[in-house]
Amino acid sequence: TQLLEQSPQFLSIQEGENLTVYCNSSSVFSSLQWYRQEPGEGPVLLVTVVTGGEVKKLKRLTFQFGDARKDSSLHITAAQPGDTGLYLCAGAQGGKLIFGQGTELSVKP
Amino acid sequence: NAGVTQTPKFQVLKTGQSMTLQCAQDMNHEYMSWYRQDPGMGLRLIHYSVGAGITDQGEVPNGYNVSRSTTEDFPLRLLSAAPSQTSVYFCASGQVSYNSPLHFGNGTRLTVT
Repeated sequence: TQLLEQSPQFLSIQEGENLTVYCNSSSVFSSLQWYRQEPGEGPVLLVTVVTGGEVKKLKRLTFQFGDARKDSSLHITAAQPGDTGLYLCAGAQGGKLIFGQGTELSVKP
Repeated sequence: NAGVTQTPKFQVLKTGQSMTLQCAQDMNHEYMSWYRQDPGMGLRLIHYSVGAGITDQGEVPNGYNVSRSTTEDFPLRLLSAAPSQTSVYFCASGQVSYNSPLHFGNGTRLTVT
């Protein structure tokens, strides 16, 4: 059983489209992080959200932490081919960082 | 900047063989951890450490041992490899803080035949 459920697992869209990736759990997290991973490399941190209801923006990416600190979303506006990759959410709980299954995003030109 | 260094990058083992995956970091991070990544499963925590001499189990610890004798190094040992341990292994380090980022190595791809 996955503690953090990400959806969708796969997403293939055209350049210019918008998309949202969800990260849900029944557990409360101290913080939630989003990472991006490219083939053959380790994940790289995009953002950390700490406060319930917090919204952070990173250029065309908008991250939101749920009010109850159990879920998060990542919204990408006007996706570009350079956004292609594996997006992973991770929740901090009891001194450990637990990851979701990941969302494989493909943006076609 | 070396960051987190993992060796080897690739390894093929036969069932029953043992090996050690090496991980070293030069950022003076107290927290280090090992994850395995399998298709559709994301990253699953194997073992982690919050400082030299301290280790603890993660989500999938069976079949793996770790030790932390120095701040810099956190090796992962497979005592008797099984095909189910075929995976990509990532080592990561960070500050001991719930909102600190993890810095990952580039992974070791292990195949057990």
